[in-house]
Formats: sequence, C-alpha cells, structure tokens
Amino acid sequence: NAGVMQNPRHLVRRRGQEARLRCSPMKGHSHVYWYRQLPEEGLKFMVYLQKENIIDESGMPKERFSAEFPKEGPSILRIQQVVRGDSAAYFCASSPVSLKNTEAFFGQGTRLTVV
Amino acid sequence: TQLLEQSPQFLSIQEGENLTVYCNSSSVFSSLQWYRQEPGEGPVLLVTVVTGGEVKKLKRLTFQFGDARKDSSLHITAAQPGDTGLYLCAGTTSGSARQLTFGSGTQLTVLP
Repeated sequence: NAGVMQNPRHLVRRRGQEARLRCSPMKGHSHVYWYRQLPEEGLKFMVYLQKENIIDESGMPKERFSAEFPKEGPSILRIQQVVRGDSAAYFCASSPVSLKNTEAFFGQGTRLTVV
Repeated sequence: TQLLEQSPQFLSIQEGENLTVYCNSSSVFSSLQWYRQEPGEGPVLLVTVVTGGEVKKLKRLTFQFGDARKDSSLHITAAQPGDTGLYLCAGTTSGSARQLTFGSGTQLTVLP
C-alpha cells in the first residue's frame, strides 16, 4: 500500500520560472493538504482540496500560487514566476475523510530551490 | 502568534537519559498528533490523542494529552541515537477542522 507520493523530490528553478509540484494521495484518500516548511521552522498550512474542489486556501499567497486536485491524476501545486523566497520544502498530506475524524499522512516532500 | 508553542526548541542529551518535550496552547484541540521528521524526509505520524487526560505509550515514548485538551507532552525514556530528529506536535480545533496547525518543533539530538 503505497504512501503519499510526491515528485519531484528536488526541483531547481531560476527566478521568474514556473514550478509544478505533484502529489498522489494514498489509495482511498480523497482529501489533500499542502504545507510549506522553511528552514528551521514548522509546517505552515497552505491549502486543502478534495477532488475537483478547493475547500480552504486561507494559507496560500494570493498571487503566483495555485492548486488543483482534478478528478483524475495527482494534485498539483503551481508557483508562477518564482522568487528566492519561495525556496522551501513543500509537503503534501492526505486523509480518507476530513481531519475532524481522522489523521493525515505526509509525503516525503519536494525541495524547491530558486536560484 | 504561534497557536501551538513547543519547548524546548533544541535539546541535546546523552544516550540513556530521559527527556520531555512540551506542546502548549491557549486553544482547545479536538485532537492532537505527534510527528517525527528526519532531515530530508516528511513528517511521520507517531500518535494521535483525542481525549482529555489520555495517555498513550509507544515503546519508550509516552504521550499525554492535557485534561483541558490545550496541551500535550512527549516523554522519552532511555533515549537512543536513533531517536534523533525533529518532533512536531499538530492539532485540529473545532473551528479549523480543515487543517492541521503545527508547532515550531523540538530538534532532539541524542549523543552516543
């Protein structure tokens, strides 16, 4: 039973380019969460999605960041026109139902470096 | 303002010693989870506590949820170098069951 799969594990982008981070949830999980972790810090919530719906994007920057979880395929976190401050580890988690009644399991993360 | 405060932020001890890590909040949590994260990896779930006063044991690790569900502690007995890592507490409140709120973490180093 595969866990949460994220790819790529490492991504290097030049300033101004686009970054696309992918997340495949655990089998049977329809709830996906994206978190960002800066060096020496805890994880900060970005966005919560269910299939084809954004449920809570209160932690996502208003500009340049977007997320989707299509009916088929992985969830995508897209960062347009990346800047050095976007360099961080981005983690995806999934759960079978809402967090009120269950636990979240995390992927290994994508480490984005903007040069 | 951090919703979940963890202490200490850094802890370095010798193998065989005991230690306690604390997670405190002014908010009431519906559930609280402890994760362990190693460098370059994602957080790995250790335990979930949901009932005030609950105590759970996982080998040498003992987790306690405060009676008022505002705080939690993680106690490790006879620490080993393999326990080294970043320990994170995270919780959901009744007002934000849509997301896990994380503490800033405790970086534990166990020296052989």
